[in-house]
Amino acid sequence: SQQGEEDPQALSIQEGENATMNCSYKTSINNLQWYRQNSGRGLVHLILIRSNEREKHSGRLRVTLDTSKKSSSLLITASRAADTASYFCATDAASGSRLTFGEGTQLTVNP
Amino acid sequence: DVKVTQSSRYLVKRTGEKVFLECVQDMDHENMFWYRQDPGLGLRLIYFSYDVKMKEKGDIPEGYSVSREKKERFSLILESASTNQTSMYLCASSLNRVHGYTFGSGTRLTVV
Repeated sequence: SQQGEEDPQALSIQEGENATMNCSYKTSINNLQWYRQNSGRGLVHLILIRSNEREKHSGRLRVTLDTSKKSSSLLITASRAADTASYFCATDAASGSRLTFGEGTQLTVNP
Repeated sequence: DVKVTQSSRYLVKRTGEKVFLECVQDMDHENMFWYRQDPGLGLRLIYFSYDVKMKEKGDIPEGYSVSREKKERFSLILESASTNQTSMYLCASSLNRVHGYTFGSGTRLTVV
């Protein structure tokens, strides 16, 4: 079952702009994670935010989590062409035992 | 850094063949996972394992089996390959539930 759903499905921006991607989920979670996937490659773990955290930063990445709305957002600041990739949220459900991934947001950063 | 190695980047197999996809991790992770990724369907969990010789079905186990004889190796087996198993297969490992997954580079399997 698909727990997380990303929005938008695709996003195209210019270099230097900020990119915001959203994720909604259905059930209670232990944590939520964001991953990046370059075309034809495996996923790379970016950041994990626990259910008792509201915001987390890592370099140019900022993740927020609103458990009351069952949603999260990933902000990439000052985007670069190299940020072009698909971004996935994944939820570790409180009642489950593994991650469930959404279908991803395809981000294109134009030079 | 943890490394997860999938034995093949690209594979072409014939319908009905038995196919083995191998995955090896080098950081003593307990947990290992096999996903398949298809356009419009995202990543779907096939099987996972939390210990040697242990396996649990994921969301789409039909047509697949797995083997985990050693902690570092988790193999996915397509008993009799079919064209609807053409997909990108991704292996992942993790230390525990509060750490992220480390993925391999993927194996793009085409069944003809």
